[in-house]
Amino acid sequence: GAGVSQSPRYKVAKRGQDVALRCDPISGHVSLFWYQQALGQGPEFLTYFQNEAQLDKSGLPSDRFFAERPEGSVSTLKIQRTQQEDSAVYLCASSLARARPLETQYFGPGTRLLVL
Amino acid sequence: DQQVKQNSPSLSVQEGRISILNCDYTNSMFDYFLWYKKYPAEGPTFLISISSIKDKNEDGRFTVFLNKSAKHLSLHIVPSQPGDSAVYFCAATPEYGNKLVFGAGTILRVKS
Repeated sequence: GAGVSQSPRYKVAKRGQDVALRCDPISGHVSLFWYQQALGQGPEFLTYFQNEAQLDKSGLPSDRFFAERPEGSVSTLKIQRTQQEDSAVYLCASSLARARPLETQYFGPGTRLLVL
Repeated sequence: DQQVKQNSPSLSVQEGRISILNCDYTNSMFDYFLWYKKYPAEGPTFLISISSIKDKNEDGRFTVFLNKSAKHLSLHIVPSQPGDSAVYFCAATPEYGNKLVFGAGTILRVKS
């Protein structure tokens, strides 16, 4: 498929457990974004990569959240010691060139995380 | 503090009629505005955008209007079709920003 893929699609974690969410962007896309979408809300920006460089992590809610994109393609969002307030859909998006408004962001289907 | 607001959580429209979805923003640094459409269990998909140097952008059945002085934009869908039933998100960004700031979304239901 040519779109952005994310895995797993659903994840149930016990409070305190570590989780890792994977994003496969569209091949050749330079920019990669992570967003968090709480129930009934719009997506909220977490972090942005240009190739392997994490250029903006201002949206990460705490130091329990960590993202990486070591080879400039696949990205992983890791949440340590999960809390119930981390329950949300985590969306990944990619765009062809360096981030600017004219570059459309293509979203994956998201990973729905439920922390019990 | 919500910088992008969609005050109507839902809208119901008859097939063939016009759908008007509204969005307000507070940050005067926003220069570029987008509408995304989302079906259940899928990610948002880009629909249409507008730059602050314009007040209207049209793409087929979809038109976005921007009133910069009022910090207000709207999406018009004419004619509305049942397949348009989805959640519509308004988003904004500074011209050279990298992050999208989204509203909470409006659920559109088009009845046949």
